[in-house]
Amino acid sequence: GAGVSQSPSNKVTEKGKDVELRCDPISGHTALYWYRQSLGQGLEFLIYFQGNSAPDKSGLPSDRFSAERTGGSVSTLTIQRTQQEDSAVYLCASSLVSGGPYNEQFFGPGTRLTVL
Amino acid sequence: SQQGEEDPQALSIQEGENATMNCSYKTSINNLQWYRQNSGRGLVHLILIRSNEREKHSGRLRVTLDTSKKSSSLLITASRAADTASYFCATAAALSHTDKLIFGTGTRLQVFP
Repeated sequence: GAGVSQSPSNKVTEKGKDVELRCDPISGHTALYWYRQSLGQGLEFLIYFQGNSAPDKSGLPSDRFSAERTGGSVSTLTIQRTQQEDSAVYLCASSLVSGGPYNEQFFGPGTRLTVL
Repeated sequence: SQQGEEDPQALSIQEGENATMNCSYKTSINNLQWYRQNSGRGLVHLILIRSNEREKHSGRLRVTLDTSKKSSSLLITASRAADTASYFCATAAALSHTDKLIFGTGTRLQVFP
């Protein structure tokens, strides 16, 4: 596909369960980002991957959150022992390059996570 | 909070009118980007303006940037009902190796037919 894709589009889970969210970036894009959007916090950065460099995890809200990017392409965001405050839309974005003034980030449709 | 501010929070206009949204931010930037979001889902990239640019056009969109005031505006001319959405500005901080975006609080635009 031409754009960023995410799956699932919706996920309902029970408190305490683990969830995995998947992101397929645009082919050839070296940088990948996860953000989340919640009512109370707006849109906030979670984690960034660039090629083989160490990821920037500075936005992850707790150690229950982790992410991987395999082979420089697909990424999975894992939330362990989900809590109700984790309910949000999780958005993935990718960009062709990073650094400098030309970094247009293109977003996927998001995964809406609801923790009951 | 690092989050930028946008105003107005909500804007209602008639089709054919122009809509102006403003964004303020807090740090030096590499670029500023505007996004549209329909129904709380994916963000659609509208336009990117670099820190050394003052104005940029794309179709019915006009974006200005004033780095001395740390502010930007998005003008949508001759609005249409299909422009109804939330609009966000987002900045990539200068001297950042990650280019993570800091988003504004958003403006909800409603265009009545």
